[in-house]
Amino acid sequence: EAQVTQNPRYLITVTGKKLTVTCSQNMNHEYMSWYRQDPGLGLRQIYYSMNVEVTDKGDVPEGYKVSRKEKRNFPLILESPSPNQTSLYFCASSLRTGYSYEQYFGPGTRLTVT
Amino acid sequence: DQQVKQNSPSLSVQEGRISILNCDYTNSMFDYFLWYKKYPAEGPTFLISISSIKDKNEDGRFTVFLNKSAKHLSLHIVPSQPGDSAVYFCAASEGNQFYFGTGTSLTVIP
Repeated sequence: EAQVTQNPRYLITVTGKKLTVTCSQNMNHEYMSWYRQDPGLGLRQIYYSMNVEVTDKGDVPEGYKVSRKEKRNFPLILESPSPNQTSLYFCASSLRTGYSYEQYFGPGTRLTVT
Repeated sequence: DQQVKQNSPSLSVQEGRISILNCDYTNSMFDYFLWYKKYPAEGPTFLISISSIKDKNEDGRFTVFLNKSAKHLSLHIVPSQPGDSAVYFCAASEGNQFYFGTGTSLTVIP
């Protein structure tokens, strides 16, 4: 089954404790991206990657890191989480068609930083 | 500053009638526009898209209209069905970057 998986689905942590949210896709997609969803703000793009070892900042990259060492994986790293990073996070992937970026989203990771 | 805006947080429509969801944007450099549908506890799923060089795209019950001069996008669902009840996000891309609206919660009343 074609899918994007994220782990963990739920995470409660404390300020400053480094964490990684994993994202994996099995569709051989080139493009992958991370978003956060907050009430009243919709989804905002954090980082994206056009291919292995190619990453770029989205609209709200501060406080986040990413890496793309393999095509299927795109982990999101919070080196020193803060309460304002409490949010619902989505990973997405898409095949670069040149027509549109129809993105497939994972189920989301709800992160709470206390 | 929000570049893609959905000014109606919610919309209720009778089953069988037309649902019209609206979206406004500010960036004239956007090249594609997309609509996503989201159910609770799930990720968004792609519905339909339109290139900035088109003014209409249709896929079954879903039609997206683009008015570039007004920087306005709309999604028409005809006929609306109870299973269409969800949050709908409008999105726009500039190159490889995407910008989403805040969403409109559609309720289709049986």
